[in-house]
Amino acid sequence: SQTIHQWPATLVQPVGSPLSLECTVEGTSNPNLYWYRQAAGRGLQLLFYSVGIGQISSEVPQNLSASRPQDRQFILSSKKLLLSDSGFYLCAWSQTQGAIQPQHFGDGTRLSIL
Amino acid sequence: QKEVEQNSGPLSVPEGAIASLNCTYSDRGSQSFFWYRQYSGKSPELIMSIYSNGDKEDGRFTAQLNKASQYVSLLIRDSQPSDSATYLCAVKEGGSYIPTFGRGTSLIVHP
Repeated sequence: SQTIHQWPATLVQPVGSPLSLECTVEGTSNPNLYWYRQAAGRGLQLLFYSVGIGQISSEVPQNLSASRPQDRQFILSSKKLLLSDSGFYLCAWSQTQGAIQPQHFGDGTRLSIL
Repeated sequence: QKEVEQNSGPLSVPEGAIASLNCTYSDRGSQSFFWYRQYSGKSPELIMSIYSNGDKEDGRFTAQLNKASQYVSLLIRDSQPSDSATYLCAVKEGGSYIPTFGRGTSLIVHP
């Protein structure tokens, strides 16, 4: 069966510091991968998605970036964090075949910027 | 602009009752419909998928889809306090990798 791992679970970072969040999927190949952010009491905001290695689509302009160095690895980065980057970051995957496939979420990373 | 609308709630029901959660969507090309449950502080968990008009049952959960009226609903029978969570509706257009999520309905099941 497929599993998704996301770490760390919680992170406290100072303003202006760099960020690297990692997500890996097991048990499937060539998944679609996604990064979402959920601010407190708000809906899910899609940040990036990827349909293959090195292919990244950005949905929202911001100081974050994403990379997919390997088929089942998705990384969210920032060179300098802002206070507004606080939130709950979720990685998700879906099967490539057919748009009917649902997304499955990792456990998330709760990021607090001080 | 694709929109998925949900009443934010909270919807409060007594234990053992049927909870009815509703979702409307704007894109008539939508073909895939999903319900997720999100406990406070946790990530969304897929509980139901539905693709055809009508009802789909899975245990205590029933998803209902009406494409002509552009709504999808989730019924939870014999509601339990453990069902207390936010329920997210997600809708996907045919051929799209990206679902549109509603903002969720908060459900409270009180003993």
